[in-house]
Amino acid sequence: DQQVKQNSPSLSVQEGRISILNCDYTNSMFDYFLWYKKYPAEGPTFLISISSIKDKNEDGRFTVFLNKSAKHLSLHIVPSQPGDSAVYFCAASGGSGGGADGLTFGKGTHLIIQP
Amino acid sequence: NAGVTQTPKFRVLKTGQSMTLLCAQDMNHEYMYWYRQDPGMGLRLIHYSVGEGTTAKGEVPDGYNVSRLKKQNFLLGLESAAPSQTSVYFCASSWTIYGYTFGSGTRLTVV
Repeated sequence: DQQVKQNSPSLSVQEGRISILNCDYTNSMFDYFLWYKKYPAEGPTFLISISSIKDKNEDGRFTVFLNKSAKHLSLHIVPSQPGDSAVYFCAASGGSGGGADGLTFGKGTHLIIQP
Repeated sequence: NAGVTQTPKFRVLKTGQSMTLLCAQDMNHEYMYWYRQDPGMGLRLIHYSVGEGTTAKGEVPDGYNVSRLKKQNFLLGLESAAPSQTSVYFCASSWTIYGYTFGSGTRLTVV
């Protein structure tokens, strides 16, 4: 049973527009959420995170929103740039192991920024 | 400033062969993890370690063994490789339970 779900395998957005990537989770014990970005043939790199005590975190062009009641988070990228084309993974920490037992990842969304 | 280094980067194995993947980190991190990435499956945790001398099973541990004899190294072993273990393997380390630094991956093909 997948605890972190990214239901859109791919997303195409025009350069300069807003990209919105969505993520849902089922485990109410998760207390920290992260987004990772991955280019082909490279390891994932940390992008932005949010604690469950907040509902928004912003870092430059990237903003993550958390709706705990809906168990939903989203990543907004404004404006979208060609270098943003990558696979984005949503991840969650906490759960029964308290977090040290590893992050739980979604399947990823392939974001394609079109010129 | 090496971060997390994985060796080898590529490997082709025959079914039944064994091999060890090495992960080394120079950041003095306590926590280390091995994940595998398969198409359409995201990243799945194989084994992890919360400190030198400790290891624990993750989501998909069958067919793998690990060791953490030194804090900076985390080894992933395949005793008898199977085609189902064809994957890209990522090692990660962290000094907290929040957020990792990943290596660049090992692409393993079992024929």
